[in-house]
Amino acid sequence: DTGVSQDPRHKITKRGQNVTFRCDPISEHNRLYWYRQTLGQGPEFLTYFQNEAQLEKSRLLSDRFSAERPKGSFSTLEIQRTEQGDSAMYLCASSQTNQPQHFGDGTRLSIL
Amino acid sequence: GQQLNQSPQSMFIQEGEDVSMNCTSSSIFNTWLWYKQDPGEGPVLLIALYKAGELTSNGRLTAQFGITRKDSFLNISASIPSDVGIYFCAGQPLGAGGTSYGKLTFGQGTILTVHP
Repeated sequence: DTGVSQDPRHKITKRGQNVTFRCDPISEHNRLYWYRQTLGQGPEFLTYFQNEAQLEKSRLLSDRFSAERPKGSFSTLEIQRTEQGDSAMYLCASSQTNQPQHFGDGTRLSIL
Repeated sequence: GQQLNQSPQSMFIQEGEDVSMNCTSSSIFNTWLWYKQDPGEGPVLLIALYKAGELTSNGRLTAQFGITRKDSFLNISASIPSDVGIYFCAGQPLGAGGTSYGKLTFGQGTILTVHP
């Protein structure tokens, strides 16, 4: 399978815990994006990378959120001190410049 | 956050019928995209549009990039049960230097139900 891969697919954690998600993009794609999707809504942009550089962060990305793409390949999204409102599907997408974004199947986060 | 205005919110149709949905924005977009999402999965790209007035087909799907660059339309002809799902429009503005700006802005989705 050469699509966008996300791990884990599901994560259940207690409020206040830290969580980290991983995204492996399509191999030749230089851009990688993170989105958050809540029930009944479309995905909302969080941040994106071109190679290893983080080019934009949404105001939705509070200081408890951090994303990295250290070698310009896979990326991690960490949420510290999770809150109930962080419960959502976290989607990763990748693309080449000026090409459409292709999405993974997401990580569903549930905060107890 | 900002989202596009997508309508209708839901549709219940009989197998074989045609379907139309649209998306409008207060902002100009350089690229319009249509995705389909099944439960528990990520959005899957259906059609990408790059030029105002462009009409593009993918099998039974046809999408148009509005002349004003503020709207887009998706039509599905002769619907079948596997067309069931949530359809999203997404717009992408033009960035500096003529490259596509990274962020996609999505509509709220159209839930399509097809009765056999």
